[in-house]
This record gives sequence, structure tokens and C-alpha cells, in this order.
Amino acid sequence: GAVVSQHPSRVICKSGTSVKIECRSLDFQATTMFWYRQFPKQSLMLMATSNEGSKATYEQGVEKDKFLINHASLTLSTLTVTSAHPEDSSFYICSARRGQGAMAPGNTIYFGEGSWLTVV
Amino acid sequence: GENVEQHPSTLSVQEGDSAVIKCTYSDSASNYFPWYKQELGKRPQLIIDIRSNVGEKKDQRIAVTLNKTAKHFSLHITETQPEDSAVYFCAASAGGTSYGKLTFGQGTILTVHP
Repeated sequence: GAVVSQHPSRVICKSGTSVKIECRSLDFQATTMFWYRQFPKQSLMLMATSNEGSKATYEQGVEKDKFLINHASLTLSTLTVTSAHPEDSSFYICSARRGQGAMAPGNTIYFGEGSWLTVV
Repeated sequence: GENVEQHPSTLSVQEGDSAVIKCTYSDSASNYFPWYKQELGKRPQLIIDIRSNVGEKKDQRIAVTLNKTAKHFSLHITETQPEDSAVYFCAASAGGTSYGKLTFGQGTILTVHP
């Protein structure tokens, strides 16, 4: 079946540095991917919609200059956390949709494995 | 935007009993409603989903019902087993270009006691 791969699975960085997380669709083209953040014991919150070849669409309250999203190819989206601070420590997870439209049974949403970011 | 409310936040049942988790949504444009099971530190695992053109879907011990008029949908797990213990999330997504943009409920911690 279709697989979405996310790397790294865990990363520790120093405060003030930047970290890049990659999300790849391995066997289908994903024109749209999504980035979520999940704090411990909380739900998944959508951060942004990543569109291949165009600018990402950020949810209200998400700083686009801090969370840089690049979707340069049909199989790769990257999230860069810039000038990371301890409060950015969280579980970041991407998803990719196959197909457009919810009603076709074959259209599916696939999640990456997630990335644990710890900022020290 | 969409708002999804999920209840209860915790649910404790005895093995063999049924468990029901309920969600409500606000956006009438939503037409796709998945349920996920998530273990700590892992990706959400799709356990069942329902599209707005049906009112009920069943897969072995798991069923989901959807009431579009009332804007609520529910997850039903029968004959619960200890391995069903996990965090469950409901979600909602609109279709078209918004398909896949999921709004999640707050989550339910299900504990099944042997």
C-alpha cells in the first residue's frame, strides 16, 4: 500500500538553531500534504497545508516565518523549525492525501511516522 | 472553520463490554469522518471512516454512525479487548480541494480492564 515516510523520527537541537523535517510520499504523487503538531496528551492540530509548487497555507496562529514549509516536488514536503525554542518541543507529523475529494473510496489520507523534536 | 468536539475524554470499560465515543462537528461542508487509534509516540492509525453519503458503516467489532442533520457521528466498539486500550480521535474533513485537511477532536483515552 501507499506509504508516507517522515524523517528524522527523533531530533534534539539546541535553542536558537533550526531543524528540518522531511515528509515523503513513496509510491504516489502528493500535490498536497499537511503538517500537524501534537503536544503531549493533546490532540493533533493542523499547522499548515503544503502545496506543491506554491506557498503553504498556514492556520491561524501559526507563524509562517518560524515554520517554513517547502513543497518543491510531488513527493517531498519539508518543515523547517527556525530559531527553535523549548516551547517548540513537540511531536510533528505530516500527512498526504491520495486523490482529491472525499467521496471516492480509493482516495485515502496517509500519515508519516512522526518526528519528536526536543529543543534544549 | 471546522470545530470538532469529542466526548468522553476518558472511558473505562470491562473486557467484553461495549464502548461508545461521540463527536460533533460544526461545518456542514464536512463530508469525510475518520476515526483513528493512536499509541504513544506513533502515527494515528485509521480504524474506520465514513463518508457523508452513508449513515452507518461496520467492520467486525467496530461501527460508525453518522447523523448529518444533527452533525454528529459516533464510534461503537463491541466485545472490547484489553488491546483496544489506546487513545481514539475522531476527525472531520471537507471534500474537494480541502480533502485531507483534518480537524481532530480532543481525543478519548479508552481503558479496557481484563
